[in-house]
Amino acid sequence: DQQVKQNSPSLSVQEGRISILNCDYTNSMFDYFLWYKKYPAEGPTFLISISSIKDKNEDGRFTVFLNKSAKHLSLHIVPSQPGDSAVYFCAASASFYSGAGSYQLTFGKGTKLSVIP
Amino acid sequence: GAGVSQSPRYKVAKRGQDVALRCDPISGHVSLFWYQQALGQGPEFLTYFQNEAQLDKSGLPSDRFFAERPEGSVSTLKIQRTQQEDSAVYLCASSLQEYSYNEQFFGPGTRLTVL
Repeated sequence: DQQVKQNSPSLSVQEGRISILNCDYTNSMFDYFLWYKKYPAEGPTFLISISSIKDKNEDGRFTVFLNKSAKHLSLHIVPSQPGDSAVYFCAASASFYSGAGSYQLTFGKGTKLSVIP
Repeated sequence: GAGVSQSPRYKVAKRGQDVALRCDPISGHVSLFWYQQALGQGPEFLTYFQNEAQLDKSGLPSDRFFAERPEGSVSTLKIQRTQQEDSAVYLCASSLQEYSYNEQFFGPGTRLTVL
């Protein structure tokens, strides 16, 4: 039973256009969400996060949107660059203070983004 | 500064062999996590250390898996009597503070192949 789902295994986007990566979750205890980026033969690197008290967080070309009622988040990359080509993982966590007391990150399966020059 | 390092980067084991995978976290990081990433999947949580204390081992798939962090820095994940389903990339991550919503810094992983 997957609690974090990334339903698109891959996405191709032209350089300069917007990339939109989607993520859905089922566990209502999740209240903190992260995106990680992974290049081949490297570990995931943190990209951006959002807590459930917000619906948007922006960092340069990267924006994460959270729709709690739909249990859905998305990562927007504008403009997309060839160096953005990587696998993107959505991850979720339940805050210690919510009573769920989790140290764990629950990851989706990832979406492979290819930005075409 | 140095990131999280893991060794070996690649390990091939015959079924039934014991293996030990090492993780050197970022100096001063309190939290240390181990994840298992099977082919085509996202990382899955195995275990969590806060300093030398193993606070959560709920993700360890069987009693053949054992992890330790005796001095609160370097950690070792040991797998006894390896089986083919243990083939995966084993990722170690560390973070400065105690809670998972602090950024976790990942190592490059150890790719284990069990023949």
